[in-house]
Amino acid sequence: GAGVSQSPSNKVTEKGKDVELRCDPISGHTALYWYRQSLGQGLEFLIYFQGNSAPDKSGLPSDRFSAERTGGSVSTLTIQRTQQEDSAVYLCASSQRPGNTETQYFGPGTRLLVL
Amino acid sequence: GDSVTQMEGPVTLSEEAFLTINCTYTATGYPSLFWYVQYPGEGLQLLLKATKADDKGSNKGFEATYRKETTSFHLEKGSVQVSDSAVYFCALMGGSNYQLIWGAGTKLIIKP
Repeated sequence: GAGVSQSPSNKVTEKGKDVELRCDPISGHTALYWYRQSLGQGLEFLIYFQGNSAPDKSGLPSDRFSAERTGGSVSTLTIQRTQQEDSAVYLCASSQRPGNTETQYFGPGTRLLVL
Repeated sequence: GDSVTQMEGPVTLSEEAFLTINCTYTATGYPSLFWYVQYPGEGLQLLLKATKADDKGSNKGFEATYRKETTSFHLEKGSVQVSDSAVYFCALMGGSNYQLIWGAGTKLIIKP
């Protein structure tokens, strides 16, 4: 079956512009996660959705970052006024349900470069 | 807070050698433990997991045992192949956000 898909696969933008990153989870998966992978910081958690709700947004690095999920499916991560330190690979994952024993399945990522 | 420490790489081995990649963790409560693998040019894939103490996860010839007494989850394989060359990440999951907390990753290079 189809896995997690993300678009675009690559994005180059200029400092100060806004970007939107999209994630399509595995069909039927109720939990969705965003992570960031960068050379300096490794893999870090950003936000988690249970259905359309994000119980805790404290993992987002700044108020320039926001995320939403609609219809219990597609999620969008928006970065406003991008900075060079936002350059990273943004990964989306989904799991069948929330839970500490659940496997998270990852998409291929969106590679963001801020010039 | 919770954290994961894994051995630094790169680790370079010859084909058919025995592999160990060390992973230790610090956590409150009883986390689940995972090994993910990232092959060149590909996304993260689950390799194996263990959800409670003394559980052994295994897949593709790789094994890891959840050792609560030593807070470890070392990855082993008896005979590595060139195709095992990849970056391996140890991670734990715990807490109300169900977030994965990651080690820094270990790059494995297998030479023929």
